[in-house]
Amino acid sequence: DTGVSQDPRHKITKRGQNVTFRCDPISEHNRLYWYRQTLGQGPEFLTYFQNEAQLEKSRLLSDRFSAERPKGSFSTLEIQRTEQGDSAMYLCASSSRGLVSGNTIYFGEGSWLTVV
Amino acid sequence: GEDVEQSLFLSVREGDSSVINCTYTDSSSTYLYWYKQEPGAGLQLLTYIFSNMDMKQDQRLTVLLNKKDKHLSLRIADTQTGDSAIYFCAERGSGNTGKLIFGQGTTLQVKP
Repeated sequence: DTGVSQDPRHKITKRGQNVTFRCDPISEHNRLYWYRQTLGQGPEFLTYFQNEAQLEKSRLLSDRFSAERPKGSFSTLEIQRTEQGDSAMYLCASSSRGLVSGNTIYFGEGSWLTVV
Repeated sequence: GEDVEQSLFLSVREGDSSVINCTYTDSSSTYLYWYKQEPGAGLQLLTYIFSNMDMKQDQRLTVLLNKKDKHLSLRIADTQTGDSAIYFCAERGSGNTGKLIFGQGTTLQVKP
């Protein structure tokens, strides 16, 4: 199965530490998204890449958050100086830019972050 | 602004039909999606519908769209215990990014 892959699946970190999550999209997909989901809520959009260009960022993405997609393939999401409010599941999704296939947006299994 | 609303909980008996409802506010939405999430897992794309369609059927799933009322529903025929999960409705705006706005999810409980 070559779906969207995320690593690590679970991360427990102490407040103030930095964490990094990795996402490998479906191989032919040039669009990549990061979302955040807290308990009992739907996913909220964080940022979007088309190839290596970061084209949109949500106001939810404070300056402690940075996302990269250096070669237009995998992406990383780094959170610096983590706070307890950062505890959530971080979801990555990908899609292609095709007229039909671009309508299908596939999500990974998510990376759970717990800040203690 | 963009907003998507869903009822929080639905309980049905195995073999019955389930209907999960969703309302949205963005009249420029191009596509509307239904995703399924099982405990501790990511989101599984179930189906989507283009905004100029009224209905889409895919095996046990039927999606109805009332664009005038901005109302979307997902009907699951012959609901099984394996259908127990959280179901999310999402809208995609007219921009080119493909960004989705999600509802808060409806928990479907299927009783044997």
